[in-house]
Amino acid sequence: KAGVTQTPRYLIKTRGQQVTLSCSPISGHRSVSWYQQTPGQGLQFLFEYFSETQRNKGNFPGRFSGRQFSNSRSEMNVSTLELGDSALYLCASSFSGGEETQYFGPGTRLLVL
Amino acid sequence: AQSVAQPEDQVNVAEGNPLTVKCTYSVSGNPYLFWYVQYPNRGLQFLLKYITGDNLVKGSYGFEAEFNKSQTSFHLKKPSALVSDSALYFCAVRGSGTYKYIFGTGTRLKVLA
Repeated sequence: KAGVTQTPRYLIKTRGQQVTLSCSPISGHRSVSWYQQTPGQGLQFLFEYFSETQRNKGNFPGRFSGRQFSNSRSEMNVSTLELGDSALYLCASSFSGGEETQYFGPGTRLLVL
Repeated sequence: AQSVAQPEDQVNVAEGNPLTVKCTYSVSGNPYLFWYVQYPNRGLQFLLKYITGDNLVKGSYGFEAEFNKSQTSFHLKKPSALVSDSALYFCAVRGSGTYKYIFGTGTRLKVLA
């Protein structure tokens, strides 16, 4: 079974631009979560989607948004990029987001200049 | 509110010696507890989880963890460390009734030859 895939793997943007990251979960998984990983803050939960509905949201500004499609693929968007948005963005999928294991993708490394 | 603490930023251990990476948590209700490992420039890999049942959980690569409800701890252990175990280890918790996973700040394990 193919793992979680994320595209693109690397991205360089400038302040003020917007960016869209994509995540394809493991086949059959319907829950997708997004995390931001930075050296100073560790892994911070962004949001979780299940069946195209956002069920949980972390403490991030409204510039961070996401969506999930009917095939469970998910995208996250960051508008008006700031230098502090430079991070590794990780996506994880599971069957339903319950007690079963989340499986992580390799991440998208975003650098904002 | 949910929280996870990994009190040690780094743990050094000699190859062949036992290792322990500490994790304590705070959550309302029954916790779902997880350990993940991250190698450089990679996503997180699942090691083991505790949902219910036996307090000693065995996972991948010879790792195990003990759930201690009274001390609200879930320490990761391995009887004999390998140099290849050197990586960043994350503890995570999810409270029942929420789909939000909270991760610790990570502990860098260095196994010395």
